[in-house]
Amino acid sequence: GAVVSQHPSWVICKSGTSVKIECRSLDFQATTMFWYRQFPKQSLMLMATSNEGSKATYEQGVEKDKFLINHASLTLSTLTVTSAHPEDSSFYICSARVEGGLSGSNQPQHFGDGTRLSIL
Amino acid sequence: EDKVVQSPLSLVVHEGDTVTLNCSYEVTNFRSLLWYKQEKKAPTFLFMLTSSGIEKKSGRLSSILDKKELFSILNITATQTGDSAVYLCAVGRGTYKYIFGTGTRLKVLA
Repeated sequence: GAVVSQHPSWVICKSGTSVKIECRSLDFQATTMFWYRQFPKQSLMLMATSNEGSKATYEQGVEKDKFLINHASLTLSTLTVTSAHPEDSSFYICSARVEGGLSGSNQPQHFGDGTRLSIL
Repeated sequence: EDKVVQSPLSLVVHEGDTVTLNCSYEVTNFRSLLWYKQEKKAPTFLFMLTSSGIEKKSGRLSSILDKKELFSILNITATQTGDSAVYLCAVGRGTYKYIFGTGTRLKVLA
């Protein structure tokens, strides 16, 4: 259980293109999903928290207009990198937390397989 | 400022060795500490620790938390080449936000 699917796995595109990454919880509902960014040999940096039915919460220094997040259903969140440039090249990972139950607020996050974005 | 520090940064051992990975933290409103293993793709969940002194064990891996001294260790006994990965420590604060350490890169040589 608790499978998170992320698509696509790898994207290579030209500078100026907008890229959409999907994150789906396959066998559970997630009102909250998380988007991370990871540079080579560095740890995961939380970019934003995606909330179903409401606006995402962005971490300090993350441009809201650059990284658009939509969480339209309990199983899907999308991250759109708008007008991507080479400096946006990175590994983007989403995660979701199983919610509900007695310990619903203290559940581990489960990660998708990540999307490697390369902007030429 | 909240921080999670892992040590060592990198470690090379031979198969059969035992390794201990460290994670220390300074996080307000601590809820839990998690260990993940990251190979080429996204991290896979290993342990979640919430109480001090209670060891969690899964096969050759075990972990324990010390909430007084603010650290956790991850032990791997009889290491195998398949244990080669980056091991991430994450501390949960508040309702659901997690802060990740920089990870320990473990390489196990045959």
